[in-house]
Amino acid sequence: QKEVEQDPGPLSVPEGAIVSLNCTYSNSAFQYFMWYRQYSRKGPELLMYTYSSGNKEDGRFTAQVDKSSKYISLFIRDSQPSDSATYLCAMIVTTGTASKLTFGTGTRLQVTL
Amino acid sequence: NAGVTQTPKFRILKIGQSMTLQCTQDMNHNYMYWYRQDPGMGLKLIYYSVGAGITDKGEVPNGYNVSRSTTEDFPLRLELAAPSQTSVYFCASREGRLNTEAFFGQGTRLTVV
Repeated sequence: QKEVEQDPGPLSVPEGAIVSLNCTYSNSAFQYFMWYRQYSRKGPELLMYTYSSGNKEDGRFTAQVDKSSKYISLFIRDSQPSDSATYLCAMIVTTGTASKLTFGTGTRLQVTL
Repeated sequence: NAGVTQTPKFRILKIGQSMTLQCTQDMNHNYMYWYRQDPGMGLKLIYYSVGAGITDKGEVPNGYNVSRSTTEDFPLRLELAAPSQTSVYFCASREGRLNTEAFFGQGTRLTVV
């Protein structure tokens, strides 16, 4: 079983739609939860992070974590064509000095006009 | 700041050849990572390092080797290249154990024929 599961999509939505992206994880030791955005032929860039259960909002983006269900989500409101990218969830587990950063498979999002 | 720099950007190797993918960062980050990204498969961790002289295996280390003689550099060595190693390779760095943001290089596209 993979430590982090994410539906690869692709997901196609019209401009202005609300987008919901999700990941599940199996390792209860994960401490930090992040969403990265990756445009085509570029490296991923951090979009949002959180370390506790609950919601965190940043503009049109809301990150949600439910540690009891081992489930994280990213919501995008009023989606724009510029949001078209691959969204990867990522998680960190630290043990001693080690700090491993694990990614989901990524969900490819296409926002159409 | 240049951030994380990877060279080369593209490379074609013949089966059985070897090469080194270079990665250097100028942010004085302790943590460095090598990932490979296959189409629709997300980022798989190959090796990571928590500081100079310390490296550890990730999810898919077979066929690769790394070294970390300085804080800045984290080269990835491919010995006896195989077609299964055709992928996009990303190097990333993080400042510390509890810092969530990883900075990625632009990637190296490697084709083994």
